Amino acid sequence: DTAVSQTPKYLVTQMGNDKSIKCEQNLGHDTMYWYKQDSKKFLKIMFSYNNKELIINETVPNRFSPKSPDKAHLNLHINSLELGDSAVYFCASSPRLAGSSDTQYFGPGTRLTVL
Amino acid sequence: DAKTTQPPSMDCAEGRAANLPCNHSTISGNEYVYWYRQIHSQGPQYIIHGLKNNETNEMASLIITEDRKSSTLILPHATLRDTAVYYCIVSPGGSQGNLIFGKGTKLSVKP
Repeated sequence: DTAVSQTPKYLVTQMGNDKSIKCEQNLGHDTMYWYKQDSKKFLKIMFSYNNKELIINETVPNRFSPKSPDKAHLNLHINSLELGDSAVYFCASSPRLAGSSDTQYFGPGTRLTVL
Repeated sequence: DAKTTQPPSMDCAEGRAANLPCNHSTISGNEYVYWYRQIHSQGPQYIIHGLKNNETNEMASLIITEDRKSSTLILPHATLRDTAVYYCIVSPGGSQGNLIFGKGTKLSVKP
């Protein structure tokens, strides 16, 4: 069974459209994340959710809105897509236990191409 | 910004040990050293982490210097499938821990 899954794997769309990427984890983790990896391969955190509550928002434009219907899911909705949004988006999860080390498990990624 | 410094690339012969260095001279007492890798077009994969002591698991060994200012990831018998970008990250982990990825080291294992 896949621990962290994302859909779709590839997404090609036009500028100005609205799209969503879904993420699900079956690890029972409390914390989920979204990362963006741009064309230069830099991997940067965008959001972090703990038990359905937003705990990190790293200066991401308002067009990006994470939604967590339950702690096993963290979806990423993007409004008014721009060319610069083209990237690979990775979802991750971790147990995020206070006072201990933490390991993140990543999904396979969603390659978004905005034309 | 990443708090670690790694060489941009390294080569290793298949079957030999790959030793990947990392400098983290500003590491804080509560920060762990994590290693992740990213094989082409895949999501990052956790390898190992440590605080003060050396660690070993089925994938690799982590050697942390006594002053904790540097560490070395050792892949004891590198295979072609170990070709990837390896990231060294320092983070407090737990409820305060975020992973800040730097540029990593591109390890090429050659036959």
